[in-house]
Amino acid sequence: NAGVTQTPKFQVLKTGQSMTLQCAQDMNHNSMYWYRQDPGMGLRLIYYSASEGTTDKGEVPNGYNVSRLNKREFSLRLESAAPSQTSVYFCASSEAGANTAEKLFFGSGTQLSVL
Amino acid sequence: GENVEQHPSTLSVQEGDSAVIKCTYSDSASNYFPWYKQELGKRPQLIIDIRSNVGEKKDQRIAVTLNKTAKHFSLHITETQPEDSAVYFCAASISGNTPLVFGKGTRLSVIA
Repeated sequence: NAGVTQTPKFQVLKTGQSMTLQCAQDMNHNSMYWYRQDPGMGLRLIYYSASEGTTDKGEVPNGYNVSRLNKREFSLRLESAAPSQTSVYFCASSEAGANTAEKLFFGSGTQLSVL
Repeated sequence: GENVEQHPSTLSVQEGDSAVIKCTYSDSASNYFPWYKQELGKRPQLIIDIRSNVGEKKDQRIAVTLNKTAKHFSLHITETQPEDSAVYFCAASISGNTPLVFGKGTRLSVIA
């Protein structure tokens, strides 16, 4: 049981390049999330998927797209990377649902630098 | 939408002393309030949570209190130890309805 696995762990991009961050969970969770973490800014939600087949914008969605490929996998794509997207990205999953605990399980993070 | 404010942003305490971190939230409909701990270079992990139907919850040296009327909740760590040094995040949501909104974090340093 690996929990939440995200790849890559580190990535350096040039401005304008594209890339996809991959995330997979093996806990049969319904909900998956992408957060970014910047110094002094906490964890800000980019996009989330409450269930397979649905995605919704979070607080900072501009410049990103997501795909909920199946129940296990939720990817984050940067179409044209900008220096402002330099950050640590965390994928997370939960069993969120009415009257259930919303404990988030986080992946190990991706440190992305855009030059 | 929900807005969560967290204070202080940094906190230093002597080993053995208590530490208190406070958060306020804006949406009176929020009913789930977790706290996450993130050690340096690691992923955030849940340490304790509270729902709006209780006012206090304890787990060994950690406790969380909730004041729904004032819309604030606090994390209390007693008998602090060096391994408590980390960044702590509070969060709020409407359970089963909205995703968590996090505060900006508090960097706690426990000085031996």
